[in-house]
Amino acid sequence: KAGVTQTPRYLIKTRGQQVTLSCSPISGHRSVSWYQQTPGQGLQFLFEYFSETQRNKGNFPGRFSGRQFSNSRSEMNVSTLELGDSALYLCASSLVGGTGIEQYFGPGTRLTVT
Amino acid sequence: QQQVKQSPQSLIVQKGGIPIINCAYENTAFDYFPWYQQFPGKGPALLIAIRPDVSEKKEGRFTISFNKSAKQFSLHIMDSQPGDSATYFCAASTTGTASKLTFGTGTRLQVTL
Repeated sequence: KAGVTQTPRYLIKTRGQQVTLSCSPISGHRSVSWYQQTPGQGLQFLFEYFSETQRNKGNFPGRFSGRQFSNSRSEMNVSTLELGDSALYLCASSLVGGTGIEQYFGPGTRLTVT
Repeated sequence: QQQVKQSPQSLIVQKGGIPIINCAYENTAFDYFPWYQQFPGKGPALLIAIRPDVSEKKEGRFTISFNKSAKQFSLHIMDSQPGDSATYFCAASTTGTASKLTFGTGTRLQVTL
C-alpha cells in the first residue's frame, strides 16, 4: 500500500505570494492532519480534516487554511507569505482520525520564502 | 505553552549501547503517547506507541516505559546500531473527536561504531 504523498517536495516563493500544498493520504485513510516543522519551533499542529470538515485547528494565523476533498486528498494554502513561513510542511493521515489512532507522515514539502 | 518536554536534546552512544530518551507531559487528558523517528530529508516515521493503561511496551529493539503518576514516559533502544542514528520525537494526544499530536522538541541520537 502506498504511503502518504505530498507535492511538491520543494518550493521557493517570494514574500507576499501565496502557496498551495497537496497531500494524498494512504488509501482508506479519511483523516488528514497538517504540521509545520521548523528548527526553532519544532513540530506544530496546523489543522486536521476528516470527511471534508475541519475538526481541529492549531494556533496559526488565518493566512493558513486548508480543505479536504471527497477522496480524502487535502490541500493547505498559505496566503501573503512571510519569511517566517519557511518550513517543512508535513501531512499525516490516519484511518479514522481524531481518536489517537496512529498517524502516518508523508515526506513533507520544503517551503522557502525569500 | 510547551506541554511535552523532551530530554536530552542530543545523545551519543556506542554501538550496542542503550540510549534512553525521556519525556514529561502536563496535560492529564493525554492518553496516547507515540514515538517517531525522523531521518534527514524524511517525514517522521511511527516507531511505537503506548496508552496509559500499560506501564511498558516492547516492539523489537524499542521499548516504551510509562509512569502515569509521574506523567513521564521514555524510549529505550536496545542494542543500538549506527542505522538508529536519527532524531526521535515523543508526542502525546487525547482520544476523542478533536485530537492532535503535541510533540516534544526532539532528541538527536548518534550511534558510533
